[in-house]
Amino acid sequence: SQQGEEDPQALSIQEGENATMNCSYKTSINNLQWYRQNSGRGLVHLILIRSNEREKHSGRLRVTLDTSKKSSSLLITASRAADTASYFCATDARSSYKLIFGSGTRLLVRP
Amino acid sequence: SQTIHQWPATLVQPVGSPLSLECTVEGTSNPNLYWYRQAAGRGLQLLFYSVGIGQISSEVPQNLSASRPQDRQFILSSKKLLLSDSGFYLCAWSVIGTMNTEAFFGQGTRLTVV
Repeated sequence: SQQGEEDPQALSIQEGENATMNCSYKTSINNLQWYRQNSGRGLVHLILIRSNEREKHSGRLRVTLDTSKKSSSLLITASRAADTASYFCATDARSSYKLIFGSGTRLLVRP
Repeated sequence: SQTIHQWPATLVQPVGSPLSLECTVEGTSNPNLYWYRQAAGRGLQLLFYSVGIGQISSEVPQNLSASRPQDRQFILSSKKLLLSDSGFYLCAWSVIGTMNTEAFFGQGTRLTVV
């Protein structure tokens, strides 16, 4: 079964607005990562947050991690049309090096 | 610098035909290697992963197999394709034995079984 599940499944916002995506997972993890996928392409790594971290920033990205709730959120501030893509969270279980992806959030940023 | 090559980019194969997708990594040694499948508009399903030559872990029972004949080569195969094997196949690698398990993806192969 999928380790991570994102919500919402789809999100449509106006350029300049903030976009928030959430991810929930099931087992203990070493870290949680967020990836971006443009249509029909491979995934690109955005940010990694370790299990002992609560918040991390990278440019317009802000990621939070709540291990007690087994959840994470990705905030994209001041969105741009070029941010239109699918976003996935991924976790690696403590007992293995498997990297398991969630179902993704499709983000549409309208110009 | 490290690079990952995955080919072909697109493939149309008839039902019952064999399949061989190849993935190679350059610029690193002993990587973790992964094969994922993505259905249209869906998430990534982990098919196989490998932590070393000849060491393959299968995640789901299916019509596919994987092999790692060399340290940086990962091959996805099928003897007889099914319609349900259609999808977008992605190869990825990550650094073994560290806390930073960021994965690097190839550009994917879109397989259509007809």
